[in-house]
Amino acid sequence: NAGVMQNPRHLVRRRGQEARLRCSPMKGHSHVYWYRQLPEEGLKFMVYLQKENIIDESGMPKERFSAEFPKEGPSILRIQQVVRGDSAAYFCASSPPAGFQETQYFGPGTRLLVL
Amino acid sequence: RKEVEQDPGPFNVPEGATVAFNCTYSNSASQSFFWYRQDCRKEPKLLMSVYSSGNEDGRFTAQLNRASQYISLLIRDSKLSDSATYLCVVDRGSTLGRLYFGRGTQLTVWP
Repeated sequence: NAGVMQNPRHLVRRRGQEARLRCSPMKGHSHVYWYRQLPEEGLKFMVYLQKENIIDESGMPKERFSAEFPKEGPSILRIQQVVRGDSAAYFCASSPPAGFQETQYFGPGTRLLVL
Repeated sequence: RKEVEQDPGPFNVPEGATVAFNCTYSNSASQSFFWYRQDCRKEPKLLMSVYSSGNEDGRFTAQLNRASQYISLLIRDSKLSDSATYLCVVDRGSTLGRLYFGRGTQLTVWP
């Protein structure tokens, strides 16, 4: 059973470009979470999605950031017009559908560097 | 006030030592508690869940004090491979959803 997959693992963008980060949850998991980790900082929640639904986006910056989890395919975190402050590690986690808090399993992360 | 507070360390201990990490959380409604481990430039990996009755997994023991909103992790007989950052993690107090991470406590075990 493959774990959470993220790609690309490393992404370099120039200021003003767009960054697209992809996440495929573990098999059988229908909940996806995105977290951001700035250098020397802890992980900060960004958004929680289920298939075709955004459940909680309270951690997402209001501008330039968007996320989706379509019926088919991976979850996408999209950052438009990137700035240097967007440089960070972006981790995706997934958990199975359940009625109680389930453990979140993390992917290897995408390290975004904005030049 | 931060949701989860941890002493960032670093803790530098010799092999075989016992080391304890503590963290406090601010949301009294939190229901689920975890310790994750994060190696340098890697993803967080679940070390253990923390239950009200306390739980043990080999050399690792976790304790939860709901009244004080305090969580601890004890590592006995430290190994070189225990060197990592240990993250205290709590939920928001509802089923499913976001987790709150502490900044982590850095541990280095030396030979």
